[in-house]
Amino acid sequence: ILNVEQSPQSLHVQEGDSTNFTCSFPSSNFYALHWYRWETAKSPEALFVMTLNGDEKKKGRISATLNTKEGYSYLYIKGSQPEDSATYLCASWGGNEKLTFGTGTRLTIIP
Amino acid sequence: ETGVTQTPRHLVMGMTNKKSLKCEQHLGHNAMYWYKQSAKKPLELMFVYSLEERVENNSVPSRFSPECPNSSHLFLHLHTLQPEDSALYLCASSPPARPRETNEQFFGPGTRLTVL
Repeated sequence: ILNVEQSPQSLHVQEGDSTNFTCSFPSSNFYALHWYRWETAKSPEALFVMTLNGDEKKKGRISATLNTKEGYSYLYIKGSQPEDSATYLCASWGGNEKLTFGTGTRLTIIP
Repeated sequence: ETGVTQTPRHLVMGMTNKKSLKCEQHLGHNAMYWYKQSAKKPLELMFVYSLEERVENNSVPSRFSPECPNSSHLFLHLHTLQPEDSALYLCASSPPARPRETNEQFFGPGTRLTVL
């Protein structure tokens, strides 16, 4: 994988259901993987920064895992709420000045 | 709120106009970035300033001219743009200390630019 890829591109989830989506990134020259949450007309906000293989981070109902050897990260949302509706971006950092972003997963929670 | 502000939030300009986008942060960060986001594309890095010196110019056309007069302010000067330059322009900053090891960046809300 040369670029950062996210899937699915968009997702509709019923309120109360749990969901997850994927970020794939180049496993060579890996330093860190970032997850951002981006609500419409607002600033992207950092959710997690992960560096170690096997790392798992949690913030409330949202958690993320990291596999640096195979180059993927999962983001999980448990018991989705309407306020979880946003675009979730991941970005890989290879040690230089540049973050390489995916196109995002657009999540819509249906009340 | 991330502490990074951008003005204006929306801008409509003609191809012969000159305008500037402004980004400001008072977080003590020493690196600042301009990104472009076009529809259905990932965020594309345009410029990076570290300690007020430009350290990366990602093959951006000269009609975009960045300026970083101090570590708290970043400008993007726009001149004779094309309609395909219409996009969301995001500014970001990152701190100098330990978190910089992960290149954690803090984003502004962006300026939605439309070139007619």
